[in-house]
Amino acid sequence: SQQGEEDPQALSIQEGENATMNCSYKTSINNLQWYRQNSGRGLVHLILIRSNEREKHSGRLRVTLDTSKKSSSLLITASRAADTASYFCATDGKNFGNEKLTFGTGTRLTIIP
Amino acid sequence: AAGVIQSPRHLIKEKRETATLKCYPIPRHDTVYWYQQGPGQDPQFLISFYEKMQSDKGSIPDRFSAQQFSDYHSELNMSSLELGDSALYFCASSLRGGIKNIQYFGAGTRLSVL
Repeated sequence: SQQGEEDPQALSIQEGENATMNCSYKTSINNLQWYRQNSGRGLVHLILIRSNEREKHSGRLRVTLDTSKKSSSLLITASRAADTASYFCATDGKNFGNEKLTFGTGTRLTIIP
Repeated sequence: AAGVIQSPRHLIKEKRETATLKCYPIPRHDTVYWYQQGPGQDPQFLISFYEKMQSDKGSIPDRFSAQQFSDYHSELNMSSLELGDSALYFCASSLRGGIKNIQYFGAGTRLSVL
């Protein structure tokens, strides 16, 4: 990936457990977003955190952002089998006209029923 | 709510052939992005358009071209196809100028070059 790395690259957990995925990036950002992709399907936006925010919640999702370390984490609580998917972080630039998303390498999450 | 529509969903081509992928953004969205995702890879930005003008360019081969039309739909034209062009091609749309740059993705076109 040109921008970031995600770890772990693959994660398998039991249903009901919490899943944590991490993402690092290299350049200054405006926003950091997390997207979900079911196998071979489109990307679905999950949550966005702005560069001046440190934590964001949405339902069972919790995102943190540490701009000093250029890293973010996505926590999914009480995982369900339907959460099985690949999760990507994506950043966009600070300048107007630089809104393209730069994706991390993704974490493949498998929830075991 | 209307989503981003891409067509076709699947496309099979031979080497050196051409392909045209179409994207219909969410109504009132003014910006369209194209991304390419190879097998097991993360999506890579190709090109974007704002109000029918090219606004940014990424790692798009010279064999590819794209445009956005007056009705805001966009087409990605790919010529002299190579085996390495086999990938998922996503279109996304957004409303530029908002505080949040949330891009809404279509289901993608899976291109297989044989």
